Amino acid sequence: QSVLTQPPSASGTPGQRVTISCSGSSSNIGSNTVNWYQQLPGTAPKLLIYSNNQRPSGVPDRFSGSKSGTSASLAISGLQSEDEADYYCAAWDDSLKGVFGGGTKLTVL
Amino acid sequence: QVQLVQSGAEVKKPGASVKVSCKASGYTFTSYGISWVRQAPGQGLEWMGWISAYNGNTNYAQKLQGRVTMTTDTSTSTAYMELRSLRSDDTAVYYCARGPNCSGGSCYPIPIDYWGQGTLVTVSS
Repeated sequence: QSVLTQPPSASGTPGQRVTISCSGSSSNIGSNTVNWYQQLPGTAPKLLIYSNNQRPSGVPDRFSGSKSGTSASLAISGLQSEDEADYYCAAWDDSLKGVFGGGTKLTVL
Repeated sequence: QVQLVQSGAEVKKPGASVKVSCKASGYTFTSYGISWVRQAPGQGLEWMGWISAYNGNTNYAQKLQGRVTMTTDTSTSTAYMELRSLRSDDTAVYYCARGPNCSGGSCYPIPIDYWGQGTLVTVSS
């Protein structure tokens, strides 16, 4: 059972906008920033969004993040086939222990 | 450029120990912690803990306390993760990653940004 809660799956057609939610508590998301990772099959996770809504260099602006209270969301607009991957939310808790969501498998139909 | 290069795959018997290495380059090793994250086959990411490369302070996940030890060798910019009393459910890909920020005597919650390529540890009799 993961500390952060994500839907196990999401899907969309090319060009659509999809969102993935992430729910936590006051001791993690409620008091620290949220990061999102994209994991393509057989590869290490890649930082996609950090500090709730910041994109590292090289990440397309189709990807955006937001946070409100103890929940966060990842939005992907203009969905493309190469976006098919697993997505994980993550945060530090008040004891500086890392917590992850269970992951959301995104399918591009 | 920041790189984390891990040691190769391991096969261990139940009850044995495994030690995975992670060699860092491209940044000041002692300014960051190294986190370890594992992923069982077909499962999600599980945070195992981190070690400050500045002073060796550690912060382990509760469920692994007593079985895991994380160390660093600052002379070679290498971090190590040893897991003892291996069980079949320890079979996973083990990743090292950079973060938190540990410059000085304290560590700060920056995003885990760069990851190693992963090391598959298989526990089987």
